[in-house]
Amino acid sequence: ILNVEQSPQSLHVQEGDSTNFTCSFPSSNFYALHWYRWETAKSPEALFVMTLNGDEKKKGRISATLNTKEGYSYLYIKGSQPEDSATYLCAFIPRDDKIIFGKGTRLHILP
Amino acid sequence: DGGITQSPKYLFRKEGQNVTLSCEQNLNHDAMYWYRQDPGQGLRLIYYSQIVNDFQKGDIAEGYSVSREKKESFPLTVTSAQKNPTAFYLCASSIDRRGNQPQHFGDGTRLSIL
Repeated sequence: ILNVEQSPQSLHVQEGDSTNFTCSFPSSNFYALHWYRWETAKSPEALFVMTLNGDEKKKGRISATLNTKEGYSYLYIKGSQPEDSATYLCAFIPRDDKIIFGKGTRLHILP
Repeated sequence: DGGITQSPKYLFRKEGQNVTLSCEQNLNHDAMYWYRQDPGQGLRLIYYSQIVNDFQKGDIAEGYSVSREKKESFPLTVTSAQKNPTAFYLCASSIDRRGNQPQHFGDGTRLSIL
């Protein structure tokens, strides 16, 4: 079974600070990578779909990069705000297999 | 509004009972998915369907069954063969069958054993 690792598992960040976390996936057989934000009491919400090595995507203060050759993606949050508190999930889609989610990074923004 | 509706929000099951979780979408999406979440775990794929009248097993299909008779609906039955059914269940859909587009999620159903 393929493995998708997210680190750190949990993160506390002061409001206004920037932060980043990692999703690691098998470097072979890559098809796509998804990032989702999951706020408490809500459903997961899509942030990015990334398909090409070297992809960089941005949505407001949040951005993501993708390195398919080495098997990782970074998610960056600039100037953290309280509303950024959530669990961030990545999902790896292999070329010939099913989607696999990581366990997520739980982000807490401290006022 | 377009979206995915899961019902019920909370469900209780007695030992030996089958229960069915509902998932309906009005997004005209081809692909639908069922996931299970346990504490400290990521989302694990139970079943998925890429087209009406077709579905495939995910990583943890044992003890579950699904049907896809209509594009809008993808109900999940948790059978008595599922020995540890207590979990949070999420349904999702996507316009793209392969993964080039994101998944849209429902609000989930929390299943507990009485």
